[in-house]
Order: sequence, then structure tokens, then C-alpha cells
Amino acid sequence: DVKVTQSSRYLVKRTGEKVFLECVQDMDHENMFWYRQDPGLGLRLIYFSYDVKMKEKGDIPEGYSVSREKKERFSLILESASTNQTSMYLCASSALDSGYGYTFGSGTRLTVV
Amino acid sequence: EDQVTQSPEALRLQEGESSSLNCSYTVSGLRGLFWYRQDPGKGPEFLFTLYSAGEEKEKERLKATLTKKESFLHITAPKPEDSATYLCAVQAIGYKLSFGAGTTVTVRA
Repeated sequence: DVKVTQSSRYLVKRTGEKVFLECVQDMDHENMFWYRQDPGLGLRLIYFSYDVKMKEKGDIPEGYSVSREKKERFSLILESASTNQTSMYLCASSALDSGYGYTFGSGTRLTVV
Repeated sequence: EDQVTQSPEALRLQEGESSSLNCSYTVSGLRGLFWYRQDPGKGPEFLFTLYSAGEEKEKERLKATLTKKESFLHITAPKPEDSATYLCAVQAIGYKLSFGAGTTVTVRA
């Protein structure tokens, strides 16, 4: 069964910490995405990547960076965590021009205290 | 900028009581409209893709339709296991999907 795996389901971090969220897909997909999901706001795109070492900003990139050194792995980095980054983070992947849209991971619920 | 608006925010149904969810969108050059189901604490799961006005897709008790400005997700004779948040998303140029905020459906036995 193909899947997108996010390394942590729950994380609690302190304000100012550097936080790494890891995502791995086993479908050989070219595209990978990071979203955050907040009540009433839906899913908002943070960053995406359409190839190894390539990245593009989404709608809310401030305070985040990403890394894609290998095709299957896409990491989201919170440079200095703040309380307003408390959220559910969802990783997704897709093939080029996929009619199935995205395949999502199970999400990481991050709490910054 | 692509915009997706879903209504209502929440829907409470009695088992067997059919209803519809709405997704209205504004996008330049629609390539596809997607419906996902999301259970609490999980990532969204793919349901349907619609590509052009007039298209319809069905899966069990769910039926999705598409016009030039909106999509409907019809739930026929729902069961408690249909309780979930249903997300609508549009794809225009490129690979990005723009999502609505979702409709949370609760079906009571």
C-alpha cells in the first residue's frame, strides 16, 4: 500500500526552538507539499517542491524553510518556533498531472509552548 | 487568486436524511476540482476528481457534481460512518491545490 509517512504524530516544542518535520513518500512522486491546517482556515500551502533540490514558496512561507535532498523526502523546518505556529501540519505528494490530486500523510500536530 | 468557499461549515443529519454540501470557486482555468474526506486526527483521503461542467462521479452514498461556478457533494441516505469533514479543492495552473475550509458532517443513528 503506497503511503506518505510523517515522522511524528504529536510534537511539543518550546518557543525559539528549531523544529524539523520529516515526510517520506514511497510512490516515486515528483511533487511534494507542506500544508498547515487550522480550524476555520482550511489547508494553507507553506512550501512545495516539484523536483529534488527545487522548492517554491506557497501562500504562507514566513517563518518556515524546506529541504529536499532526495526525491522521497521533504522536510519542513521552523527556524525559530513561535506559539502562532501551533497547528496541524500535513505533508502530501503527487505525480505530475495526477488525476488523483494529492496523497496525504496522517499529519503532525505541533504545539509550541 | 484562487478562492474556494464551502458551505455550510457544519451539518448535522439523522441517519437516512439526505443532504448536499456546496463548494463554490473562483479560479482562472480550472484543471480539476477535488473532493476529499478527512477523519479526526488523520490526513485527507481522496474521493473524486471532476474536470468539466456537467460531470458527475459516484461512490457508494456520495455523488459529486460540477458546474462552472460550484460543485455539490450529495450524501444519500447517510450512515453514521459517513461522519467526517469533507474538503473541496481546485487545481488551476501548475500542481498546487487550493482548499476550502471544509464542511463537518455528523450523522446520528
